[in-house]
Amino acid sequence: EPEVTQTPSHQVTQMGQEVILRCVPISNHLYFYWYRQILGQKVEFLVSFYNNEISEKSEIFDDQFSVERPDGSNFTLKIRSTKLEDSAMYFCASSNRGRLNTEAFFGQGTRLTVV
Amino acid sequence: AQTVTQSQPEMSVQEAETVTLSCTYDTSESDYYLFWYKQPPSRQMILVIRQEAYKQQNATENRFSVNFQKAAKSFSLKISDSQLGDAAMYFCAYRSLMNRDDKIIFGKGTRLHILP
Repeated sequence: EPEVTQTPSHQVTQMGQEVILRCVPISNHLYFYWYRQILGQKVEFLVSFYNNEISEKSEIFDDQFSVERPDGSNFTLKIRSTKLEDSAMYFCASSNRGRLNTEAFFGQGTRLTVV
Repeated sequence: AQTVTQSQPEMSVQEAETVTLSCTYDTSESDYYLFWYKQPPSRQMILVIRQEAYKQQNATENRFSVNFQKAAKSFSLKISDSQLGDAAMYFCAYRSLMNRDDKIIFGKGTRLHILP
């Protein structure tokens, strides 16, 4: 069964450093998402991406964040200058749209720890 | 803006018993999907069941079923014959079908404990 793959599974970084979280969505999906879950809290939407551009972003997704689909298969989330409060689980998801294709498939997540 | 509310932060159920998790949502749209996702200790998000708003019939997947009340904007999840492997965080979620706003919106989750 096709699945969304995220790497790394755990990333530890120093405050102020840049990190890139990587995702390989399901190959025939067209919509891509990043979500964040601070430990024990709700799953928060960060950004959606379609047709090589951001279709929507939340207020969390400020200038320190960026997304890219550099090669048609990978979908990356870059955090330019990490802060302690960026420590969270980051989930990538992909989906299609239409009545038969509405659920999003999630990757296993990347646990980001900023020290 | 759409919102999803789960009013039960935690619930417990005896193994083999039935439990119902509550979810309400707020939307002005008529065409949307609702989901229940399970998040076990591994933290992976796993789709449990989905419901199309245009369908009156409640969705069922093996031991999991929903009670979808569109007028009341209620979408509860019933787990029958609870098993130890059902212990997890359960998230209710909403997705619009009507416009460009295609993100999935999650509730805060309900942590389900299964008592042996």
